[in-house]
Amino acid sequence: DTGVSQNPRHKITKRGQNVTFRCDPISEHNRLYWYRQTLGQGPEFLTYFQNEAQLEKSRLLSDRFSAERPKGSFSTLEIQRTEQGDSAMYLCASSRNTGGFNEQFFGPGTRLTVL
Amino acid sequence: GENVEQHPSTLSVQEGDSAVIKCTYSDSASNYFPWYKQELGKRPQLIIDIRSNVGEKKDQRIAVTLNKTAKHFSLHITETQPEDSAVYFCAASKGGGATNKLIFGTGTLLAVQP
Repeated sequence: DTGVSQNPRHKITKRGQNVTFRCDPISEHNRLYWYRQTLGQGPEFLTYFQNEAQLEKSRLLSDRFSAERPKGSFSTLEIQRTEQGDSAMYLCASSRNTGGFNEQFFGPGTRLTVL
Repeated sequence: GENVEQHPSTLSVQEGDSAVIKCTYSDSASNYFPWYKQELGKRPQLIIDIRSNVGEKKDQRIAVTLNKTAKHFSLHITETQPEDSAVYFCAASKGGGATNKLIFGTGTLLAVQP
């Protein structure tokens, strides 16, 4: 499968624990996005990387959230001291950077449940 | 701020009928408008997109129209089939910009009754 992959697919954790998710974009895609989707809503933008540089973060991304893309390939999203309100589907997407209008390809998501 | 409104939230049609989903965006600088289909438990997948220099685009049974003046765009599905049943999301973006982040609508659950 050459699409965007995410691991784990499901994560159940207790409030206050830290969790980390991984996203592997389509190879040769240098743009990578994280979105969060709650039930009955559209995905909400969290953060964006171009290669290894994190160029934009949403106000939704509190200081408990951190994302990295150390070598410009895979990315990780860490949530510290999880809260029940963090329960959601976390989607990763990637696209080419050809300076124009580029389709974002989504991964299957990581569903987080905070108990 | 950036906002996309989408209507209706649910839509039920008979197989063979047409379905229309409408979206309104707030940021007049938006110039790229993709539509994603998300089946239950699956990832969102692009079905069609339109750029602001075009008023209409068609791909087989799917078409999208854009009214830049009114900041409206719509998805039209003709001859609906049961496999069209899914949640459809519109989105807006400032393509060609630094981020190209997508601002999504709240989704429309389309049910095609056989």
